Amino acid sequence: DAGITQSPRHKVTETGTPVTLRCHQTENHRYMYWYRQDPGHGLRLIHYSYGVKDTDKGEVSDGYSVSRSKTEDFLLTLESATSSQTSVYFCAIRKDVEDGYEQYFGPGTRLTVT
Amino acid sequence: LAKTTQPISMDSYEGQEVNITCSHNNIATNDYITWYQQFPSQGPRFIIQGYKTKVTNEVASLFIPADRKSSTLSLPRVSLSDTAVYYCLVGEMNSGYSTLTFGKGTMLLVSP
Repeated sequence: DAGITQSPRHKVTETGTPVTLRCHQTENHRYMYWYRQDPGHGLRLIHYSYGVKDTDKGEVSDGYSVSRSKTEDFLLTLESATSSQTSVYFCAIRKDVEDGYEQYFGPGTRLTVT
Repeated sequence: LAKTTQPISMDSYEGQEVNITCSHNNIATNDYITWYQQFPSQGPRFIIQGYKTKVTNEVASLFIPADRKSSTLSLPRVSLSDTAVYYCLVGEMNSGYSTLTFGKGTMLLVSP
C-alpha cells in the first residue's frame, strides 16, 4: 500500500461540463500517472508527471489536462467531458526499488458522462 | 516501447501450477519485464519483476530465457482467489521519463 487515494470514487456528469479528478499520495514519490481503463483496451496512459510542474502526455491525452502543483497531488481535468470519456480512471505512483521500479495503483474513479 | 503478446485467457483448476507466457520480441537492452495482477473493480497490483534468468518471490516465479524475447510467469498451486487478469509489461527502468504500457492482459479463470 503506497498511501494513494483518489477522489471522487464515483461521479456522474453531463456532456460538456468540466470535471477534475484528484490523486493524492502520502509518500512523496516523484512519479505519478493517470490511466484509463475500458473494456477491451486494458489500461492506457493518459498523462504522467515526473515532478512538481513537470508533466508529459501519454498515449491517450487528447481531451485531458493535468496539473501538479504539489508533490502529493496530481489532478486530471476533463475540460469539457464527452461520452467517450466514460471510463474507470486509475492513478498510480512509482516506487524506485533496487533493481527497477514498481507502480502502485489507487482504487480508481468510475466516471460516467451522460 | 517493446510490444508484448500474451494469451487472452487461460483456464485452470485449484492446486495446479499455471504458466503464462508473454512474447516481447523487440525488447531493448535496458528493458525490464514486469507482471501485474488485477482483480475486478481494483487497480493493478505488482507481482514480480525481472531482467534475466529467474526471479522468485513469495507469490510467483518469473522465468526469462537468455534471449529475453519472452518470459513466463509461474503461479504455483493456484486457488480460486488467483482468478484475475495478468498483465505483462516491458519497459526501461533507467530513464527518468520511462513509462510502462499495459496491453489487454490474460484473463485467468481458476475453477474448483
